[in-house]
Amino acid sequence: QVQMVQSGAEVKKPGSSVKVSCKAAGGSFNNYGFSWVRQAPGQGLEWMGRIIPILDVKNFAQKFQGRVTITADESTSTAYMELSSLRSDDTAMYYCARLHNSGWLFFDSWGQGALVTVSS
Amino acid sequence: SVLTQPPSVSGAPGQRVTISCTGSSSNIGAGYDVHWYLQLPGTAPKLLIYGNNNRPSGVPDRFSGSKSGTSASLAITGLQAEDEGDYYCQSYDSSLSEYVFGGGTKLTVL
Repeated sequence: QVQMVQSGAEVKKPGSSVKVSCKAAGGSFNNYGFSWVRQAPGQGLEWMGRIIPILDVKNFAQKFQGRVTITADESTSTAYMELSSLRSDDTAMYYCARLHNSGWLFFDSWGQGALVTVSS
Repeated sequence: SVLTQPPSVSGAPGQRVTISCTGSSSNIGAGYDVHWYLQLPGTAPKLLIYGNNNRPSGVPDRFSGSKSGTSASLAITGLQAEDEGDYYCQSYDSSLSEYVFGGGTKLTVL
């Protein structure tokens, strides 16, 4: 069973960037896609973007276009999400989620989350 | 949220509850499947139902899903205390070209 292990909590200043990693262990990294989903305190889930390495596909939610970068390193089975120009309302738990490789339409495994706090 | 869920539902142990998820012609009504996730307090979401009515290995058959038109529902029978948590529906929206979630429904077992 695949496990998605994310990097730890971060505290950032407004205007800076944060990069969160997500290492997939126990499964075939290359056959899956990965999305990033965030959850602000007390709020619901919000999709940010996805990468499907085997199809060379990257897509982003309109809200985050130009501010988010998603990459994947197949040699280390690790996906990354970098969010720039951070604001206080970017304070949230950031989850990586593996896209099921039959249709790429739902998330069959989730990381434990990485809390990003943006504060001056 | 693009998908609409009731903020909360509740039921006594052993009872049956349902959670609705209403979308539109660009997501559920366009034929995209609905998937459900359970987020227990302080933990990451976990896949509960995929493809409208399929349960991943390990999910009890007390959980079932259905879809009709622009809506979907999650049913939980034989409610147990450990079912308490936040339930989210999810689909894909062709107008936005984005994955979309419902706002979440908090289930309380009385």
